[in-house]
Amino acid sequence: DIQMTQSPSTLSASVGDRVTITCRASQSVSRWLTWYQHKPGKAPKVLIYEATTLESGVPSRFSGSGSGTEFTLTISSLQPDDFATYYCQQYNNYWTFGQGTKVEIK
Amino acid sequence: EVQLVESGGGLIQPGGSLRLSCAASGFTVSSNYMGWVRQAPGKGLEWVSVIYRGGGSYYADSVKGRFTVSRDNSKNTLYLEMDTLRAEDTAVYFCARMGSHRDGWDYRYYAVDVWGQGTTVTVSS
Repeated sequence: DIQMTQSPSTLSASVGDRVTITCRASQSVSRWLTWYQHKPGKAPKVLIYEATTLESGVPSRFSGSGSGTEFTLTISSLQPDDFATYYCQQYNNYWTFGQGTKVEIK
Repeated sequence: EVQLVESGGGLIQPGGSLRLSCAASGFTVSSNYMGWVRQAPGKGLEWVSVIYRGGGSYYADSVKGRFTVSRDNSKNTLYLEMDTLRAEDTAVYFCARMGSHRDGWDYRYYAVDVWGQGTTVTVSS
């Protein structure tokens, strides 16, 4: 199975900050990568797929980049609603989640 | 309304078996890729199994040979049969419908687009 590693595991930030989360794959997944946002007690929500494509209805402050083995999720200006756990997930060779990055209030 | 409702979770001793069910409404299970995702206490999300439209399946290495995914088209229901359960199988199990996007002439199943509410499985003596 392909392993997905996110960094950092926890990130402390303030409203208005620019936030970047990194996801690395143990082998190339081409551009087949999805980012989710997960809040406690709610279903995870897709933010980005195919590494860079914004899911319909997702605010434009979210963006994704990368290909192959290294990917990033960027939130250009952190909003109060964005404090959550973020997961990457590859879908090039079956499906694998990263271990998650918790974005908490500084 | 599109909905998934899981049932069948509970407390089970190590080595035991359990069957989870997931009743779908608002869409047809057999026309979609369907799967199970779990989240152990304090841990992240983990893909467990997927059943394809054609009936083939995928299993994570951690459950291969112990878990079996199936569906009953007449009941529009997905199942996960779990055998030889271990403490590390303790988790909330979510039923999932997968969404797809075009990739040339093909489709890629890229994410869960409908989640169930989850059912808790606790493996402990």
